[in-house]
Amino acid sequence: QQQVKQSPQSLIVQKGGISIINCAYENTAFDYFPWYQQFPGKGPALLIAIRPDVSEKKEGRFTISFNKSAKQFSLHIMDSQPGDSATYFCAARPGRDDKIIFGKGTRLHILP
Amino acid sequence: DGGITQSPKYLFRKEGQNVTLSCEQNLNHDAMYWYRQDPGQGLRLIYYSQIVNDFQKGDIAEGYSVSREKKESFPLTVTSAQKNPTAFYLCASTPSSGNTIYFGEGSWLTVV
Repeated sequence: QQQVKQSPQSLIVQKGGISIINCAYENTAFDYFPWYQQFPGKGPALLIAIRPDVSEKKEGRFTISFNKSAKQFSLHIMDSQPGDSATYFCAARPGRDDKIIFGKGTRLHILP
Repeated sequence: DGGITQSPKYLFRKEGQNVTLSCEQNLNHDAMYWYRQDPGQGLRLIYYSQIVNDFQKGDIAEGYSVSREKKESFPLTVTSAQKNPTAFYLCASTPSSGNTIYFGEGSWLTVV
């Protein structure tokens, strides 16, 4: 119940295309859903985050779509660029004082 | 500049030796974490500490030890009991009043 299931494990997208990464969860107590971006040899960094009372959040080319009833959320990267090539982690937090739980990551490669 | 400093970046050790990875933060964050990252395994939590002089085991604590004597420091010792210590290790921290988890740049440990 504490898991966050992320798919696909790897993704290849043409430059200019839309990259979509999906995550699913079971625990309805999760109250915060961030996405992290990690470049090779670096630590992950917060990309965008959403709370369950909002169905969508957009920041530039990055959008989180949240479906509370289906317990799913996804990251959409519009107009994908080679510089977006990285590993992306979805995550969820079961409570303010609780540790964040990460998905297993998606390696995204944008073809030039 | 505020941030999390991990050292060393690269470390080679012989099998059977203990090794300590340093993590220092000047963000005044209360909680600190150690994660291990292996290809395709995502981020696995080793230990975390929410307050000085207190810490809890994560999902893969066996073969590791930590201390939290100061708020800004959370060193990780990889002991000889850890069967497969070669990995990328990430230190992270969160403020008591915020949601975002901040990561260091990571330390590569290779045991030969």
